[in-house]
Amino acid sequence: DAGVIQSPRHEVTEMGQEVTLRCKPISGHNSLFWYRQTMMRGLELLIYFNNNVPIDDSGMPEDRFSAKMPNASFSTLKIQPSEPRDSAVYFCASRPSDRENTEAFFGQGTRLTVV
Amino acid sequence: SQQGEEDPQALSIQEGENATMNCSYKTSINNLQWYRQNSGRGLVHLILIRSNEREKHSGRLRVTLDTSKKSSSLLITASRAADTASYFCATVPKAAGNKLTFGGGTRVLVKP
Repeated sequence: DAGVIQSPRHEVTEMGQEVTLRCKPISGHNSLFWYRQTMMRGLELLIYFNNNVPIDDSGMPEDRFSAKMPNASFSTLKIQPSEPRDSAVYFCASRPSDRENTEAFFGQGTRLTVV
Repeated sequence: SQQGEEDPQALSIQEGENATMNCSYKTSINNLQWYRQNSGRGLVHLILIRSNEREKHSGRLRVTLDTSKKSSSLLITASRAADTASYFCATVPKAAGNKLTFGGGTRVLVKP
């Protein structure tokens, strides 16, 4: 397996534009997590899914952020409209949820810069 | 708020020395995990310790868990320059099913 795949690796956009980040989890992993990492706030859990269903989105900063998982092999995180304070590295991770004590596997992240 | 908090925030040691970092958390957990992150890269899992375990080893890594104090430590023995990275603890709270949350991390610099 190629691991968790995120795209794009880098994104530079202007304030006000819509940004869509994409993630392909490891096949067979039925839990998927979106994290945001900044120097100031560290690694924040934004939302996680079990079996394509959003379980906890309490970390989503505001209504400008939305996440979907239309099927087991694909998820998106959308920011609309984007703001400079959204600049961060966004990570996607997956793990099997039917086994309690398993680790998460991370993608390489998407570095987002909003100017 | 974050479930886990690492201490110290940064650590600088000479190659060959041991590096110890600590993690404190707030609620009862199923397990605690340690991850490593090289600059600009994704996190990589190092070791997982279950709530009923007190100590675990993996190569040069030693992890302890004290559930009464809600704390864990990660020891890297005989450090190498290649161990330079940020290290994070992560917990899966008992009450939160599958939710995996991370602490702020410890930045470790190993000088050759």
